Amino acid sequence: GDSVTQMEGPVTLSEEAFLTINCTYTATGYPSLFWYVQYPGEGLQLLLKATKADDKGSNKGFEATYRKETTSFHLEKGSVQVSDSAVYFCALSGGDGLTFGKGTHLIIQP
Amino acid sequence: GAVVSQHPSWVICKSGTSVKIECRSLDFQATTMFWYRQFPKQSLMLMATSNEGSKATYEQGVEKDKFLINHASLTLSTLTVTSAHPEDSSFYICSATGGSIPYEQYFGPGTRLTVT
Repeated sequence: GDSVTQMEGPVTLSEEAFLTINCTYTATGYPSLFWYVQYPGEGLQLLLKATKADDKGSNKGFEATYRKETTSFHLEKGSVQVSDSAVYFCALSGGDGLTFGKGTHLIIQP
Repeated sequence: GAVVSQHPSWVICKSGTSVKIECRSLDFQATTMFWYRQFPKQSLMLMATSNEGSKATYEQGVEKDKFLINHASLTLSTLTVTSAHPEDSSFYICSATGGSIPYEQYFGPGTRLTVT
C-alpha cells in the first residue's frame, strides 16, 4: 500500500537558518503530494502541493519539488522564522483519502 | 494506541435526506476533533473544529446549518449532513488530538458519501 516516510523530529534550528525536511513516498500510479502545517491547537493547513512529476509547490517561502525518480518531496525554506515553529506533515493522495507521514516537529529559536 | 474510527465507511443517500457520520477515539480522550472534506487526489479542506462540550468552530464558507457537528463526549463527535445534495458527495475525514503527545493528530479512515 501507499506510505510516506519523513524525517523524525524534533528539528531545532536558529532563526534565519536553512530548512530541509525530507519526505519520501511509496505509491502506485501518480499521486498528488502535499505538505501540511499544524500550529498548536489548530487543524491542519495546506502549505503547498504538487500534482505531477517535476511540479514545484511553493507558499510562504517554503518550496517542495515532486521528484518521481527519487520518489521524494522534500520541504525547504531558505531562512526560517520563529513563527515557522509548528509540526509539518508530508502526505500523498492517489484518490480517496490521504496517507500521511508521522509529522516533523520544527522548533525555531530566536 | 491512539486509534480513531469512523462509521460508516461509506454511505449512499438520496437528495434531501440527512446522513450522520460518527467519529470515535477508541483508546484516548479526544479534547479536540476536526472534520475535513476531501475530493479525489485533492487536499484536505478543514470544515470545522470541535471541542468537547462546546459549539464547533466552522471555517469560512462552511454552512453550519448544513453540516451539524456535535462533540458530546470526549470520545465521540458526529457530523450530520442535512438535506444532502449531490454536490455534498465527497470523502469526509475526522481527526482527533488529545493523546499523550500534544501535537499529534490521529486520523480516522474516512467516510465516502454519495448523494444520488
